[in-house]
Amino acid sequence: EVQLVESGGGLVQPGGSLRLSCAASGFMFSDYAMYWVRQAPGKGLEYVSGITTQGGSTYYTNSVKGRFIISRDNSKNTLYLQMGSLRAEDMAMYYCARWKGDGFDIWGQGTMVTVSS
Amino acid sequence: SSELTQDPAVSVALGQTVRITCQGDSLRIYYASWYQQKPGQAPLLVIYGENNRPSGIPDRFSGSSSGNTASLTITGAQAEDEADYYCNSRDSSSSHVVFGGGTKLIVL
Repeated sequence: EVQLVESGGGLVQPGGSLRLSCAASGFMFSDYAMYWVRQAPGKGLEYVSGITTQGGSTYYTNSVKGRFIISRDNSKNTLYLQMGSLRAEDMAMYYCARWKGDGFDIWGQGTMVTVSS
Repeated sequence: SSELTQDPAVSVALGQTVRITCQGDSLRIYYASWYQQKPGQAPLLVIYGENNRPSGIPDRFSGSSSGNTASLTITGAQAEDEADYYCNSRDSSSSHVVFGGGTKLIVL
């Protein structure tokens, strides 16, 4: 079965750090660009970051540049998002998603990040 | 960066046809993809490319595009179609992707 499973979310204080993971299974992970998409409570979907198949190029929305780092380990079929200097506005459900070139065809169930003191 | 604009909410009577639209400059270059999201669930791809449905998506869902506007049409809306719908495309001015703000579909 093709699936993505996120982990690593939780409660963190403002200014803190967290690393999210997304374990892929059922497909050739290294063949696909991967993205993180987040959704604040009651809000819409927001692109956060993307990475090409071999990790050679990475992309970030402006609000997380310099604070978040996306990476992948194709030998472990895992996508990561290292988040630092977390702010209240980063609080959201974080989804990893597989980019098939013209859409995100596979999504994980999400992992919740809560930023609060 | 580009933006995609959607109406916040649309309603449709059970069994009728509804069109959900998405506007943005990037749609002049790239096709939109469409996602359905029900409460407490992850988004689900329903339309991608010119007008393609992933396996398992009912054929009452279809997509179209003209100029800077993409549309998702549900022909014969069912109660289970009540959900939030998001459009998405590549960003025409960068290597990013962009999402619309979402449309809440209410089935009456």
